[in-house]
Amino acid sequence: EAEVAQSPRYKITEKSQAVAFWCDPISGHATLYWYRQILGQGPELLVQFQDESVVDDSQLPKDRFSAERLKGVDSTLKIQPAELGDSAMYLCASLGLGAHEQYFGPGTRLTVT
Amino acid sequence: KQEVTQIPAALSVPEGENLVLNCSFTDSAIYNLQWFRQDPGKGLTSLLLIQSSQREQTSGRLNASLDKSSGRSTLYIAASQPGDSATYLCAVSGYSTLTFGKGTMLLVSP
Repeated sequence: EAEVAQSPRYKITEKSQAVAFWCDPISGHATLYWYRQILGQGPELLVQFQDESVVDDSQLPKDRFSAERLKGVDSTLKIQPAELGDSAMYLCASLGLGAHEQYFGPGTRLTVT
Repeated sequence: KQEVTQIPAALSVPEGENLVLNCSFTDSAIYNLQWFRQDPGKGLTSLLLIQSSQREQTSGRLNASLDKSSGRSTLYIAASQPGDSATYLCAVSGYSTLTFGKGTMLLVSP
């Protein structure tokens, strides 16, 4: 069964360092999402891609976060510099064309010390 | 802006009980509603998806209902088991984006 892949699964970094997360959506899924989930909260959308284009990044803290999906397939989310408040689970999801159900990856648990 | 509320925030029941988790949303203009399960430190597993034109969906011991006009959904779990212990998240969909509630943390004790 096709799955959304994410790496790394866990990341510990020091404050002010740069960190990057990778997501590979289900093959053929044109829409890709990055969510952030703070402990005890529901996931919140950071950025949505349609192919290689950003559809919605209104909640992305652009002073330190960046996201790209250069070839419209896999995607990278970067944080530079990381802050203590960035400690969270970062989830990637994908959606097939004309479909209604998003499929989520296993997430990357980030701890900033 | 869509807001999703889940009640209760936490629930503890003995094994075998039937239980209901509640979800409410402020904007009834939704495309669908999904219920997810999340184990500690893990990603999301989709349990049920209800299209806006549907009233309910069933999968095994799970039944989800949707009353779009009143902005409410319930997830019914029959004959709960310790393996059902997890956080259950409700999410409503606009055209292609999901808005999540904070979840209900369920503990089923043997």
